[in-house]
Amino acid sequence: IAGITQAPTSQILAAGRRMTLRCTQDMRHNAMYWYRQDLGLGLRLIHYSNTAGTTGKGEVPDGYSVSRANTDDFPLTLASAVPSQTSVYFCASSDRGGAADTQYFGPGTRLTVL
Amino acid sequence: GQNIDQPTEMTATEGAIVQINCTYQTSGFNGLFWYQQHAGEAPTFLSYNVLDGLEEKGRFSSFLSRSKGYSYLLLKELQMKDSASYLCAVRDSNYQLIWGAGTKLIIKP
Repeated sequence: IAGITQAPTSQILAAGRRMTLRCTQDMRHNAMYWYRQDLGLGLRLIHYSNTAGTTGKGEVPDGYSVSRANTDDFPLTLASAVPSQTSVYFCASSDRGGAADTQYFGPGTRLTVL
Repeated sequence: GQNIDQPTEMTATEGAIVQINCTYQTSGFNGLFWYQQHAGEAPTFLSYNVLDGLEEKGRFSSFLSRSKGYSYLLLKELQMKDSASYLCAVRDSNYQLIWGAGTKLIIKP
């Protein structure tokens, strides 16, 4: 693995179903983030984690949950999917100790909720 | 509220120069980022400005004026592969990135 990977690449999901989007990084970055990207809108932060064992809410956290059991993994769970959660989801990571604290993004998961 | 404004779309000619503007109003300022995003792909980091002035990196340069809440990304010697969306983001006082909706740049031969 090099960088950040996300799975699945795309998914079609029935409303009401539970879904976990996976994110793994091998850069030993301490911070990780989940964003959603919708047409005409900027990236919006869902949840973040500054270090393993801690998480925080972003701008649009409702309907989503995260966990950060270790440095590498940061799964995002939709407990009961709704059509408004149709979006492209990007996971990102950064080294909070760096001067710029640049975020690096995974390839994304395209999710459709019907 | 917090706001990042960029033009929705711009068109330029191969070989030319284009300037993409970004204005921002945020609660606090801890740096400004530019990212490039090709259609269907992830955003990739281009530049970071935290002090006023121009940062040059090859064909790409980024300028910041904190007093004006303004930045621009300058792309020189445009190539067809530069056709992409360009995203401006500001790190606010909570140390979170606030993102603009992006500028879609179309390059014509």
